[in-house]
Amino acid sequence: AQSVTQLGSHVSVSEGALVLLRCNYSSSVPPYLFWYVQYPNQGLQLLLKYTSAATLVKGINGFEAEFKKSETSFHLTKPSAHMSDAAEYFCAVSRLNTGNQFYFGTGTSLTVIP
Amino acid sequence: GAGVSQSPSNKVTEKGKDVELRCDPISGHTALYWYRQSLGQGLEFLIYFQGNSAPDKSGLPSDRFSAERTGGSVSTLTIQRTQQEDSAVYLCASSFTWDQETQYFGPGTRLLVL
Repeated sequence: AQSVTQLGSHVSVSEGALVLLRCNYSSSVPPYLFWYVQYPNQGLQLLLKYTSAATLVKGINGFEAEFKKSETSFHLTKPSAHMSDAAEYFCAVSRLNTGNQFYFGTGTSLTVIP
Repeated sequence: GAGVSQSPSNKVTEKGKDVELRCDPISGHTALYWYRQSLGQGLEFLIYFQGNSAPDKSGLPSDRFSAERTGGSVSTLTIQRTQQEDSAVYLCASSFTWDQETQYFGPGTRLLVL
């Protein structure tokens, strides 16, 4: 079975500070992992994905995530937060056997304080 | 089209009425997915299509929910005898194939059942 846990439903950081959004997964097989961002009143947009190539994945808008199998984690980071980063972030793991069903975490709302 | 489109963007209905939600996937994408996003519930998988067939209907919450896809393109999600707990944002996504491809999401349909 696959599942995703996002620790912290709300995260606040100061502008310019490090952003760290946590995601842990459980999967019976090597997973594919994704981070999506949802800006207010917009659809989900792919930030980055891990598909068993490089463990450090770089995405759009300066975000990156590192796949750590030993920790079953795929945390999202950005060195310096910008006001425009305020959004809802979702981690997802894909199901590998009979389809591409995504299992999403419950989301983390990021607030950037000026 | 340039992206996944959904209609209507907002729908208000009375309890007990039927509603149809429409999804237009990205041209050429063979896989199509429906999700539901409820307050405090995160994103919940409903159903996916590979072409016109739906191998996995396990996520449909009750027999009041059904979906079809015709011509390998447009899909409609139908909710019969709507209940207040059906109020949510219904998201559609598509991908080129079903096999671990990135899913591209539409803006969603916000359904409110009074």
